[in-house]
Amino acid sequence: GQNIDQPTEMTATEGAIVQINCTYQTSGFNGLFWYQQHAGEAPTFLSYNVLDGLEEKGRFSSFLSRSKGYSYLLLKELQMKDSASYLCAVRDLSWGKLQFGAGTQVVVTP
Amino acid sequence: GAGVSQSPSNKVTEKGKDVELRCDPISGHTALYWYRQSLGQGLEFLIYFQGNSAPDKSGLPSDRFSAERTGGSVSTLTIQRTQQEDSAVYLCASSFGENTGELFFGEGSRLTVL
Repeated sequence: GQNIDQPTEMTATEGAIVQINCTYQTSGFNGLFWYQQHAGEAPTFLSYNVLDGLEEKGRFSSFLSRSKGYSYLLLKELQMKDSASYLCAVRDLSWGKLQFGAGTQVVVTP
Repeated sequence: GAGVSQSPSNKVTEKGKDVELRCDPISGHTALYWYRQSLGQGLEFLIYFQGNSAPDKSGLPSDRFSAERTGGSVSTLTIQRTQQEDSAVYLCASSFGENTGELFFGEGSRLTVL
């Protein structure tokens, strides 16, 4: 099985940087995903890491350390529209399914 | 259509009634997932279909829940004898393969059991 932990809520100011951490325990690892979900909407894909290191995509970056069972999502130059829930999800080596963490609610203030 | 389509978007039912929720995945996607999301909560895995393999039903919360996928495409999630705790948004997602690619989510079916 899998255990995925991420903070419940984070607050940051417009223009700032926020880092959302995710730790996981899994019997086998086959990739880590980050999704963004605005209230009342479906989750949308942000990033995918399967190898150690940093993946950068515009204002968003995601980092993975497989040996530590750790990932983070970095949001730079925060905008009001970034206020959303950010979901960490792990794909197990044995299974195709993704298991999701409970999500981190990011609140961006003016 | 181009995306994952779910119906109905909203369903209100009385306790004890059966409901069916439908998911039409993206054409060509072999993997199909059902998740449940209660208000303010994360996504709870329910069931996973991959091609012609036996589905992974390990997330179904009780034997009142079942799902099928016909012809490797459309899927139906059935909840029998609904209970108030079944109230949630039921999300369907599809992906291109078993261990490849991201999941594309539908807009969900919001179920309210009175």
